[in-house]
Amino acid sequence: SQQGEEDPQALSIQEGENATMNCSYKTSINNLQWYRQNSGRGLVHLILIRSNEREKHSGRLRVTLDTSKKSSSLLITASRAADTASYFCATTTSGTYKYIFGTGTRLKVLA
Amino acid sequence: DAGVIQSPRHEVTEMGQEVTLRCKPISGHDYLFWYRQTMMRGLELLIYFNNNVPIDDSGMPEDRFSAKMPNASFSTLKIQPSEPRDSAVYFCASSWTDYGYTFGSGTRLTVV
Repeated sequence: SQQGEEDPQALSIQEGENATMNCSYKTSINNLQWYRQNSGRGLVHLILIRSNEREKHSGRLRVTLDTSKKSSSLLITASRAADTASYFCATTTSGTYKYIFGTGTRLKVLA
Repeated sequence: DAGVIQSPRHEVTEMGQEVTLRCKPISGHDYLFWYRQTMMRGLELLIYFNNNVPIDDSGMPEDRFSAKMPNASFSTLKIQPSEPRDSAVYFCASSWTDYGYTFGSGTRLTVV
């Protein structure tokens, strides 16, 4: 079963623009992570945010978490063609280490 | 570190045959996960291990699927007998505690 749903399902932007993807989930979480998957490859871990955190940054990535709305967003600033990929959120609940992945957002950055 | 290593990268087999997928996790990681990815169902967690012990196999679709982790450096996922609906990309991932997973490159399984 999928815990998270990303929105939008697909996003197409011009190089240099910012890309924002959202993830909504259903039950209370312990941690939330974002992953990137290039076509035909495995997933790559981007960032982890814990339930007691509201915002985290890593390079051009900014992740926010709103536990009251059960949602998270991933912002990629100054996007590049190399950012073209699918992006997934994954959540885990207290007492377990298993992450349940969302449905993903397909991002296309046009050069 | 070479990362999580999966083999084979591609597997084509006939319905009814046994399929074995292999995974070598990153040394020192204490969790190992098997996921399956399809267009229809997305990424599904099949089973995960902690210190070589299966913790949760509730995602294993049916008795035709089995997974083992005989030691900290090796795990297998076996499908016997295989069916066309098992066609998918199977990923192995490992992690240290609850931090980010490191995924392997996956095994693309096609059952004809």
